[in-house]
Amino acid sequence: AQSVTQLGSHVSVSEGALVLLRCNYSSSVPPYLFWYVQYPNQGLQLLLKYTSAATLVKGINGFEAEFKKSETSFHLTKPSAHMSDAAEYFCAVSGDNAGNMLTFGGGTRLMVKP
Amino acid sequence: NAGVTQTPKFRVLKTGQSMTLLCAQDMNHEYMYWYRQDPGMGLRLIHYSVGEGTTAKGEVPDGYNVSRLKKQNFLLGLESAAPSQTSVYFCASSYSIRTSGPSRHTQYFGPGTRLTVL
Repeated sequence: AQSVTQLGSHVSVSEGALVLLRCNYSSSVPPYLFWYVQYPNQGLQLLLKYTSAATLVKGINGFEAEFKKSETSFHLTKPSAHMSDAAEYFCAVSGDNAGNMLTFGGGTRLMVKP
Repeated sequence: NAGVTQTPKFRVLKTGQSMTLLCAQDMNHEYMYWYRQDPGMGLRLIHYSVGEGTTAKGEVPDGYNVSRLKKQNFLLGLESAAPSQTSVYFCASSYSIRTSGPSRHTQYFGPGTRLTVL
C-alpha cells in the first residue's frame, strides 16, 4: 500500500520569499513521485515528477523538488514566490501497480501576500 | 490536441436522479481514470480502465458505474444520486505501463465537472 502526507493544508508566504511545501510518502516499492498544481476552478497540471533519473527534479515555473529516500520525502521548493503561484498543490505517488494508479496527498493551498 | 475534455462542466441534480459524465481524450492513451475531489481529502480514485472494454474499482467505487466502450472515451454514471456525491469530478488518462520511458506514469487531467446533489 502507498500513502502520501502533505504537512500543512495552508501555507502563506510573502511575495519574494522562499516557498517550501512538504510531502512525505510511503511505498513498498521504489516510487514515482509527482507534484501537481491546481489553479482556481481548473484541473490539475503537472509541475514535476521524479522517476529515479535524478534526485533533484526541476519543474515548470521555477519549482523544484528533491527526492530523499532516507527521509521518504519529496518537498517542493521555489526560491522566490510570485503572486501567480497562489494555488493548491498536490503531491502524489505511483508505485508498481498495474493501473499506474496515483495516490494523492490532501493538498496544500499556497497563499502569496503582496 | 484538446487533451482530456469533460462534459458537462457543471450539473445540479436532485436526490435519486441519474446522470452520466463523459470524458474524452485524444492522446491515444490506454489508461483512463475517474477521481473525485473533496476539500482536505485530495483526489480519490473512483474507477479506472486499463484498456477498451475493461474497468476496475478504485478506492471509492460505491454508487458509481463506468464504461469504456471506445478507447478514447470513459463514462462515469450515477444511477441514483445522493448528496454525499456532491463533489468535483476529474478524469485523467495516461500511457500504458508497457510504454517505455518516464512519461508512462504521468496522468493528464481534464478540467473537471462540478456536481451538486440537492
